[in-house]
Amino acid sequence: RKEVEQDPGPFNVPEGATVAFNCTYSNSASQSFFWYRQDCRKEPKLLMSVYSSGNEDGRFTAQLNRASQYISLLIRDSKLSDSATYLCARDSWGKLQFGAGTQVVVTP
Amino acid sequence: GAVVSQHPSRVICKSGTSVKIECRSLDFQATTMFWYRQFPKQSLMLMATSNEGSKATYEQGVEKDKFLINHASLTLSTLTVTSAHPEDSSFYICSANRDSGAYNEQFFGPGTRLTVL
Repeated sequence: RKEVEQDPGPFNVPEGATVAFNCTYSNSASQSFFWYRQDCRKEPKLLMSVYSSGNEDGRFTAQLNRASQYISLLIRDSKLSDSATYLCARDSWGKLQFGAGTQVVVTP
Repeated sequence: GAVVSQHPSRVICKSGTSVKIECRSLDFQATTMFWYRQFPKQSLMLMATSNEGSKATYEQGVEKDKFLINHASLTLSTLTVTSAHPEDSSFYICSANRDSGAYNEQFFGPGTRLTVL
């Protein structure tokens, strides 16, 4: 089993709608998690960090469920510019382990 | 936010040649940098951790003699792909670690796309 797993998608979302997707992890000792956004052929950019139960930044909400070992990302009021691949990562002794990413496509 | 640069952004080379990629932290010092490789539609895979002033530590399955890492200063790490082959074609991304309070923040460079013919 992979350390960090994500549904590859794509999640096709109408503009203005809400979309949510999860990332599961296998190591219950994991403490820190991150959501990154990666555009095609570009580097990942940090969206938000998740240390306790969750985090919220504008239209984006991340939640951590330690019992079920997953983190989620919810995007409200989707914009066309939200179309990207969303990578989750967990911190493993200072190193990041990434999932393969979830593709989100926001349509007009 | 902190800025990390990579050079070159794209390189095409013949099989058997060596390619050097530079990763620089432009406005902060980084004792630790990381090198990742990403194949199409796959996750970023950590190749090695580059430590200023000491040897890099490589992840399992990564050949240290093929992927040479040098971290000679607090702002520069280089990755040299020696005797490159077509299977080394990939997107190579570095990140630099900046201590930032409760956790270490990693800032990513823009990546280098390597194509080996």
